[in-house]
Amino acid sequence: DIQMTQSPASLSASLGETVTIECRASEDIYNGLAWYQQKPGKSPQLLIYNANSLHTGVPSRFSGSGSGTQYSLKINSLQSEDVASYFCQQYYDYPYTFGAGTKLELK
Amino acid sequence: EIQLQESGPGLVKPSQSLSLTCSVTGYTITSGYDWSWIRKFPGNKMEWMGYISYSGSTNYNPSLKSRISITRDTSKNQFFLQLNSVTTEDTATYYCARCYPGITDYWGQGVMVTVSS
Repeated sequence: DIQMTQSPASLSASLGETVTIECRASEDIYNGLAWYQQKPGKSPQLLIYNANSLHTGVPSRFSGSGSGTQYSLKINSLQSEDVASYFCQQYYDYPYTFGAGTKLELK
Repeated sequence: EIQLQESGPGLVKPSQSLSLTCSVTGYTITSGYDWSWIRKFPGNKMEWMGYISYSGSTNYNPSLKSRISITRDTSKNQFFLQLNSVTTEDTATYYCARCYPGITDYWGQGVMVTVSS
């Protein structure tokens, strides 16, 4: 199985700040990576797919980048509604696997 | 609007089978996509369990292959999860979801299942 190592596990940031979350795959996943946001008590929401494509309706302050084994999610100008957990998922190979998640809080 | 809704018992005894239903509205499951089950354990680890495709083929996580079955009832636009011989380690929130080719664009709200005697 492809292992997804996500960092940091938790993150505290101020409103308006830019935050970056990283995911490293145990092998090349050829941009087969998605990012999701999950708020407490809610189901996950797709943010980014194919490593850098913004899902419909997702604010443009979210962006994804990376290639090979290294990928990142950037949130520009952090808003209060961005407080959530974020996780990555590779779908390049079966079984699909997920990062452990990053909990984003306001400072 | 596409909606998925999980249903099933919230408590299952060890060694028994876990059975969940996902009811889909707003999209016909035979029209396209893979229809998946994904679970989130206490501590937040996520695991893709498997899917049934729009054509009826299945693909399972090898870690579950001997215990899992995903089926469907196209007349009701539902698909199902059965997980046999459960243990306390199967305690999790179970989500049904629409995926292709692994990108999950619609999720159910999730159902918490506890395995306990």
